[in-house]
Amino acid sequence: EDQVTQSPEALRLQEGESSSLNCSYTVSGLRGLFWYRQDPGKGPEFLFTLYSAGEEKEKERLKATLTKKESFLHITAPKPEDSATYLCAVQGTTDSWGKFQFGAGTQVVVTP
Amino acid sequence: DVKVTQSSRYLVKRTGEKVFLECVQDMDHENMFWYRQDPGLGLRLIYFSYDVKMKEKGDIPEGYSVSREKKERFSLILESASTNQTSMYLCASSFPTGGEETQYFGPGTRLLVL
Repeated sequence: EDQVTQSPEALRLQEGESSSLNCSYTVSGLRGLFWYRQDPGKGPEFLFTLYSAGEEKEKERLKATLTKKESFLHITAPKPEDSATYLCAVQGTTDSWGKFQFGAGTQVVVTP
Repeated sequence: DVKVTQSSRYLVKRTGEKVFLECVQDMDHENMFWYRQDPGLGLRLIYFSYDVKMKEKGDIPEGYSVSREKKERFSLILESASTNQTSMYLCASSFPTGGEETQYFGPGTRLLVL
């Protein structure tokens, strides 16, 4: 069964203090790994899709990387508006295509 | 811009009531999904649909049913609401694009069952 574990559960950063979030996964064949951002009381907002080990994607202060067992979301020089819960999900190749396995998320708070 | 809307942001229902949650997407997506989100448990898939009138069970279908009569609309039905169905319900839609299955989410419905 596909599994996703995110760490840490919560992260408190000063503005400008760079850090990384971890998403460890086990899946029988990776179809895709997805990162989302979720603000309180709202639905998740899509950030990135990664398909193969070594792949990297960037968007403003966020950079996602992928290895065979984990993905990192690097936040460079964060601002208070980067405060949110970041969710990771995987889609495997052997399970029913529609099934995405989500992690519990990392709650990030950036203080001025 | 992809838009997924859900019929209610907040709902309060009594135990035993039949509850309908509606989701509409405006981008002609083939695939639609219903999740529930609970603290510490992440998103869990209830049902998904890959075409009109087609559906598949997710990880936690017990106590729920779904209906997809039109491509743009996917309904989640709680046949007899129970307190353990108090949760945040999220609808999503997606389409296969060269193998990419990006899901776009609605704003969520927070359901309280008393």
